[in-house]
Amino acid sequence: EVQLVESGGGLVQPGGSLRLSCVASGFTLSSYWMQWVRQVPGKGLVWVSHINEDGSSTGYADSVKGRFTISRDNAKNTLYLQMNSLRAEDTAVYYCARGGVPAAYDYWGQGTLVTVSS
Amino acid sequence: QSALTQPPSASGSPGQSVTISCTGSSSDVGDYNYVSWYQQHPGKAPKLMIYEVTKRPSGVPDRFSGSKSGNTASLTVSGLQAEDEADYYCCSYAYSNNYVFGTGTKVTVL
Repeated sequence: EVQLVESGGGLVQPGGSLRLSCVASGFTLSSYWMQWVRQVPGKGLVWVSHINEDGSSTGYADSVKGRFTISRDNAKNTLYLQMNSLRAEDTAVYYCARGGVPAAYDYWGQGTLVTVSS
Repeated sequence: QSALTQPPSASGSPGQSVTISCTGSSSDVGDYNYVSWYQQHPGKAPKLMIYEVTKRPSGVPDRFSGSKSGNTASLTVSGLQAEDEADYYCCSYAYSNNYVFGTGTKVTVL
């Protein structure tokens, strides 16, 4: 069974850092693109970042470019999102998802909540 | 990276059809056949319903169909059922190796 489990969320002060993890099971992580998407509770989905199978290609939304870094450790079946210089507007539930079909994501985790507040 | 435009809400009675539009630009929807649609129930993770404009993943009922014309993509749900009541989001690949989601549409089954 394909599973994605995010962790690492929590309360952080503005300007602080946090690293999210997404542990994959039930499939071979190294065969898939992966992405992070966020959602302010009660609001819409917002694409954050994606990474190709071996980590050599990444993409970022303008709102996080230069502050967030996506990476992966295929040997550990884990996807990461390093978030630096956090702002109040980064507060959201962060989902990781698997790119199982062309340009779309077929399995999603349950999300981890990041709250940026003093 | 402006969000794609969707109507805030749509509704229909059981058995009827509802169509949701998703309007972008020549830099995203209009330039790529990489439009996908996601269904999200309250408190749940999104679920992929359509990819590459018209394709359905295995397990998604054929009541769900997608199309595109110019800069606008559409999702049609035929034979509405109570469990189709949810939020729906379109998503398109865009230039410069990124993606953009739609603003979301709440579908209500009357």
